[in-house]
Amino acid sequence: EVQLVESGGGLVKPGGSLRLSCAASGFTFNTYTMTWVRQAPGKGLECVSSISRSSSYIYYADSVKGRFTISRDNAKDSLYLQMNSLRAEDSAVYYCAGDPYSSSFFDYWGQGTLVTVSS
Amino acid sequence: EIVMTQSPATLSVSPGERATLSCRASQSVSSNLAWYQQRPGQAPRLLIYGASTRATDIPARFSGSGSGTEFTLTISSLQSEDFAVYYCQQYNNWPPYTFGQGTKLEIK
Repeated sequence: EVQLVESGGGLVKPGGSLRLSCAASGFTFNTYTMTWVRQAPGKGLECVSSISRSSSYIYYADSVKGRFTISRDNAKDSLYLQMNSLRAEDSAVYYCAGDPYSSSFFDYWGQGTLVTVSS
Repeated sequence: EIVMTQSPATLSVSPGERATLSCRASQSVSSNLAWYQQRPGQAPRLLIYGASTRATDIPARFSGSGSGTEFTLTISSLQSEDFAVYYCQQYNNWPPYTFGQGTKLEIK
């Protein structure tokens, strides 16, 4: 069974930091481009950051560039998102999602982890 | 960046009837278009990719069509579990992946 399990979300004050993790199982993680997709309460889906299979290519949305860092450990089948200088507008459910062909669709999604930035 | 626009924002349909959802791209995305379903409190689920190919285990009542800039998701004979929010996503010009704003399919 394919599983993506996110963790690390929570309540943090503006300017604070969080590190999200996504543990993968049931598929060949190192063949997938991975992406963090977020969804603010009652809003749509936004791609925050993507990382290629070998970490050779990384993308950040302008809204998080310079504050967030994506990484992966293929030996541990894990994806990470280090989030610094958090703002209220970063509050959202963060999903990790897997793209099997690089620059394609997401056939695997985690259940999401909630990040709330508030004083 | 390609902008994806979905219409309508909300669609009210009775169970057993057909629903037709639209997605328009600001420039051609060829057939590099996916559709997702998101039920309340759940993660999105892939329904369609390549504009018209159903994902694994997706019922045949879901069908996709279109190419270039105009796409349609059709759900024939709506079931209770189909009432959800639907998103389209282009992957022709990456990065970034871009999603439409969603169409909420509600019970009439």
